[in-house]
Formats: sequence, C-alpha cells, structure tokens
Amino acid sequence: GQSLEQPSEVTAVEGAIVQINCTYQTSGFYGLSWYQQHDGGAPTFLSYNALDGLEETGRFSSFLSRSDSYGYLLLQELQMKDSASYFCAVRDDYKLSFGAGTTVTVRA
Amino acid sequence: EAGVAQSPRYKIIEKRQSVAFWCNPISGHATLYWYQQILGQGPKLLIQFQNNGVVDDSQLPKDRFSAERLKGVDSTLKIQPAKLEDSAVYLCASSLTGTGINEQFFGPGTRLTVL
Repeated sequence: GQSLEQPSEVTAVEGAIVQINCTYQTSGFYGLSWYQQHDGGAPTFLSYNALDGLEETGRFSSFLSRSDSYGYLLLQELQMKDSASYFCAVRDDYKLSFGAGTTVTVRA
Repeated sequence: EAGVAQSPRYKIIEKRQSVAFWCNPISGHATLYWYQQILGQGPKLLIQFQNNGVVDDSQLPKDRFSAERLKGVDSTLKIQPAKLEDSAVYLCASSLTGTGINEQFFGPGTRLTVL
C-alpha cells in the first residue's frame, strides 16, 4: 500500500515563498505528482517528478529525492489566488494515491 | 477542448436510498477514474477503467457500489443502498493513458449528502 504525509496547513503573506513537504512510503514508485484544488473546485494538475531533481514551471517548482522518499512543492511570489489545497500523489504502476492535502492560506 | 462533464452536481438522499452519477470524459481519453473525496481528505480512488475494462477496483465497496463504462466512453457510478458515511464529493477524472506522467483531468464533482 501507500502512505503519504504532508502538513495540514500553511499560512503566508503575499509575495512570500512557501514549501510544502511530502514524504511517502509505497511498495512501488514511478513518480510524484502535485495537484491544486480551490475550495469547491476540481483538482488540477501542477507537476510530475519521476527522476530526482527540481522541475520548474513558472512560479511553482517541484522537487523529488527518490532515495529519501521525499518531495516538495515550492510556491514563489505568492498571490491571493494561490490560496487552495495542495495534494501530493504517488504513482505506482498505473494509479495515483493522494495525500490528505495542505491548505495554503495567503494573507494580504 | 471540452473538459470532463459530471452530473448531477448536487444530490441529497436519505440513507438506504439509491443514487447514480454520470461522467463523460474528455474525448479520446482511454482511462477513466472515479474518486471519493470526503471533506478535509484527499481523493480516494474507487475504480479505474482502461477503455471499458476495469484496471483497479480494490477500494470499491462492492456490496453497495457499482460502476460501468459501456463502449469505453461514458461511465456511471451507483450506490445502492447509501449509508451516512457515503456523504462526500464524487470526482470523475480521465487521462490519455494510465501510464507516464498520467496527468489526470478532473470533472467538477457530484456533492452527495446522505441524511
């Protein structure tokens, strides 16, 4: 089976940088995904890491260390619209298993 | 490109009643997923289809839940009979394939309340 741990809540001010950590245990690992979900909305795909290292997409970056079973999502230049829940999800051979999510609140 | 469509958006039923949800995935997407998301939790996979075959239904409570994907396109998820603990948002998602980056596109969900 899979288990994932991520912080439940993070609060930061506009313009700040937030790092959301995710540690996982899984019997089979192909990659780590991140999804964003606004309150009442559908999850949307942010990034996917299959190999160690940093992937950058605009203001968001995602990192993976397979040897440490650890990854993080970095949100830079925070904006009010970034207030949402962020889920890490491990991919085994064919399916995703999601963490409980981290609620990010951006204050003015 | 049209997104994943789901209906209804909201449903309120009493326990022991039946309910059905419908999903139309993005055109050309071979893989379709049904997730259950309880408030404050991450989505939990109930069933995954590849075309019209079941890839994984290990977390589907088969004594009360059933799902089908006829002709490898639309899908329905049924609960019969419903229990209080089934109150959740039911999300349908689709992806081109079930491998690789496997970017999943989610529909708006059906919010089910069981009284």
